[in-house]
Amino acid sequence: DGGITQSPKYLFRKEGQNVTLSCEQNLNHDAMYWYRQDPGQGLRLIYYSQIVNDFQKGDIAEGYSVSREKKESFPLTVTSAQKNPTAFYLCASSLDRADTQYFGPGTRLTVL
Amino acid sequence: KQEVTQIPAALSVPEGENLVLNCSFTDSAIYNLQWFRQDPGKGLTSLLLIQSSQREQTSGRLNASLDKSSGRSTLYIAASQPGDSATYLCAARSSGGYNKLIFGAGTRLAVHP
Repeated sequence: DGGITQSPKYLFRKEGQNVTLSCEQNLNHDAMYWYRQDPGQGLRLIYYSQIVNDFQKGDIAEGYSVSREKKESFPLTVTSAQKNPTAFYLCASSLDRADTQYFGPGTRLTVL
Repeated sequence: KQEVTQIPAALSVPEGENLVLNCSFTDSAIYNLQWFRQDPGKGLTSLLLIQSSQREQTSGRLNASLDKSSGRSTLYIAASQPGDSATYLCAARSSGGYNKLIFGAGTRLAVHP
């Protein structure tokens, strides 16, 4: 059963903590992406990776970090430097940079 | 800088009605335009993708059109059903560079019996 999985579904963070959101895909896709969605707004690109061991900042990368050590995995760390991290986070992947993006089910992060 | 706008922000219709959702974009140099569906608290499901060289795409009761010159795309839903209730997002992919999608804020559709 191929697809994109994200965990956890819900995550609560205390102020000053770093948290890591997981994204895994078994679609053999080269490219992976992280988006943030706020209520009533479209998705905004945080980071993207076109190939293993390479990633680039998107439009709102400040306060976030990523790694791409394996083709299947693209974890996102929300650091304490992110001033307003409460949001819905979506991971996506595509076969290559020209292909349709497929999305995971999302992680809802809430700062307490 | 590409900006994508969707109108209306919310729409409520009775079951069976045909309806049109609108998407406009400011930069006509797009590679393609994609329509997604999002159920509450869920990820996005791709509905239709229109390449820049195409005028429209159809899938079942859905038809999406693209007019690059006017910077507009429409999603037509025929014979709406309560199961169509969701938020519909359009996203424009710019020509060149990486696979960057610029999303609109979405139209929240409610189809009532």
